[in-house]
Amino acid sequence: NAGVTQTPKFQVLKTGQSMTLQCAQDMNHEYMSWYRQDPGMGLRLIHYSVGAGITDQGEVPNGYNVSRSTTEDFPLRLLSAAPSQTSVYFCASSWGSSSYNEQFFGPGTRLTVL
Amino acid sequence: TQLLEQSPQFLSIQEGENLTVYCNSSSVFSSLQWYRQEPGEGPVLLVTVVTGGEVKKLKRLTFQFGDARKDSSLHITAAQPGDTGLYLCAGAAGAGSYQLTFGKGTKLSVIP
Repeated sequence: NAGVTQTPKFQVLKTGQSMTLQCAQDMNHEYMSWYRQDPGMGLRLIHYSVGAGITDQGEVPNGYNVSRSTTEDFPLRLLSAAPSQTSVYFCASSWGSSSYNEQFFGPGTRLTVL
Repeated sequence: TQLLEQSPQFLSIQEGENLTVYCNSSSVFSSLQWYRQEPGEGPVLLVTVVTGGEVKKLKRLTFQFGDARKDSSLHITAAQPGDTGLYLCAGAAGAGSYQLTFGKGTKLSVIP
């Protein structure tokens, strides 16, 4: 199993550009989520999904869209990139939505917005 | 909004020393998880504690959940260079809640 994979590893955007961060998991996990990690801020939840076709907002959803058309994939879209979105983005998945379930994290995408 | 305060933020110690990292909140959590993250990688779960007063051991690492379920600690005995990394605590408000609140992390460096 590859686990949770994320592409690209690094990305540089100009202000106003749009892009999609890809996330895929091969563990048949129901729950998937996106976090951003900023220096001194810990991990903050952007959006999450409890299954195909179901998504919801987390703590910092503004400027981001998600969709979950399949169990395996959970892309994160930046509609119009802003310098404040410079961060490291992590996708995570778990087999269930209980807080007791281990979340498996991808390797991250480091995004810089100029 | 529930907050988790981790201390210390940075810790640099010599190999063989003991250390404790703290995770504190004014809110009650149904469970608390500890993760370890290495540079360029995602966090990896170390342990989940769910019962007030619970103590779990993972080799040289000892995790404790406070009786009131508002705080937790991670104690490492005889630290090794391989323990170097960022340690994150994360709490869940309810058993069915999948929204975790993460602390800001403790960056540990163990010097050989």
